Order: sequence, then structure tokens, then C-alpha cells
Amino acid sequence: GAVVSQHPSRVICKSGTSVKIECRSLDFQATTMFWYRQFPKQSLMLMATSNEGSKATYEQGVEKDKFLINHASLTLSTLTVTSAHPEDSSFYICSARNPGTGDSSPLHFGNGTRLTVT
Amino acid sequence: GQNIDQPTEMTATEGAIVQINCTYQTSGFNGLFWYQQHAGEAPTFLSYNVLDGLEEKGRFSSFLSRSKGYSYLLLKELQMKDSASYLCAVYVRGGADGLTFGKGTHLIIQP
Repeated sequence: GAVVSQHPSRVICKSGTSVKIECRSLDFQATTMFWYRQFPKQSLMLMATSNEGSKATYEQGVEKDKFLINHASLTLSTLTVTSAHPEDSSFYICSARNPGTGDSSPLHFGNGTRLTVT
Repeated sequence: GQNIDQPTEMTATEGAIVQINCTYQTSGFNGLFWYQQHAGEAPTFLSYNVLDGLEEKGRFSSFLSRSKGYSYLLLKELQMKDSASYLCAVYVRGGADGLTFGKGTHLIIQP
């Protein structure tokens, strides 16, 4: 079964509003979670690393004030897209690695969130 | 920098065999993953290779040659449900999430 849960799966919002996406690890505690964005027919692009108890680490070119990340507990990370614009419409996916299964264990992905900004 | 190449699209016939290639140029290589991704869904883990050679898992096999910077995913007895994108991802120790993804190969299975 799924080990990483992501909610909501789809969201449509109006331009200028904010949207919050939740990511939960179900069977393990994740001090680190990862947020990706994927545009149609493109690869997964890492946006940021969510760190429990400290600030998120953002990849180059990703606006930290626009994509707010909060890692409130060892099993929950949230991504808030603030003041969303149509160009933010994309597929957002979170992932985590079970630390108990080794350094190079696979990333487990949530089911993704399809964001459409009108 | 990191660079991963794989074909954009491939077509194969139901019941046949298909090989999807991946070449990479990375620093700090520490393994290679293959993921399957159906349209509109998140990737699911298929295989992991860290040593040279072939790893077999049911209908799917994955091969790695570190000296050549090359891997392939072999799918046997193709089924219609195998139509998906297949992502090659290199694990680089010391990276943020450790993974650099290729753009994926869109595999189309025809009856």
C-alpha cells in the first residue's frame, strides 16, 4: 500500500489565491521530505527539501516566498502556493525516503496534486 | 553537472520485449533507479542498480554498466498496462534528494 499520502489530488483555484498541499509519511518518520514539480512531458524537477524543525532548502530559481514549506511534524510537510498564477499550474509531487531502509533506498512518492490556476 | 539521456518515445507490440536505454554523466554516482509513471500519477519504484550487471524482477530487468555510464530497462511479455513513461534516475551522494531524473521515455504498447 501507499507509504506516502498527498492531498488534495486535484485543485482548481483562482488567480491570486493560495493553495495548501499536504504530504504525509504513513509508515515511517521522515525528517526530510522533497517537493517536485512536473510540467507536461517534462521530467520531475526538485523544488525544495523540507526539513523537520528547520527551514526548507530551496533549489535555484524557486521563490521561497511564493512556495511556503512547513514541516510541522515527523510525518507531515505542507507546501503552500501563495498568490497563485496560471503559470503555477502544474503537477506537484512530494516524496520521502524511509530512513530505516538504508542510505540509497528508493524515494516513495505521493500521488501528486494537479493544480490548475484560472 | 548531471546529465541523463533516454529516448523520448518508443513503441512496442503487446507480448513482445522492449529495451529502454539510459546514459548518464554524473559526479558522485551511487546507483541508478528506474521508475514507472502513468499519465497523471506519481512515479512508482521499479528497480535499483548500484553494481554492474543485471537485476531481474519478474517481467522487468535492469542492467547497469558503470564504466560506460549506461543502463537499460528490459520489459518482457508486454501488456497494454505497461503503456507509461519510464524514468531513469541517478542517485548522487551528497545531492539534496540524491536523485537526478531523466525526462522519461514514453512507451506506447500496441495490440
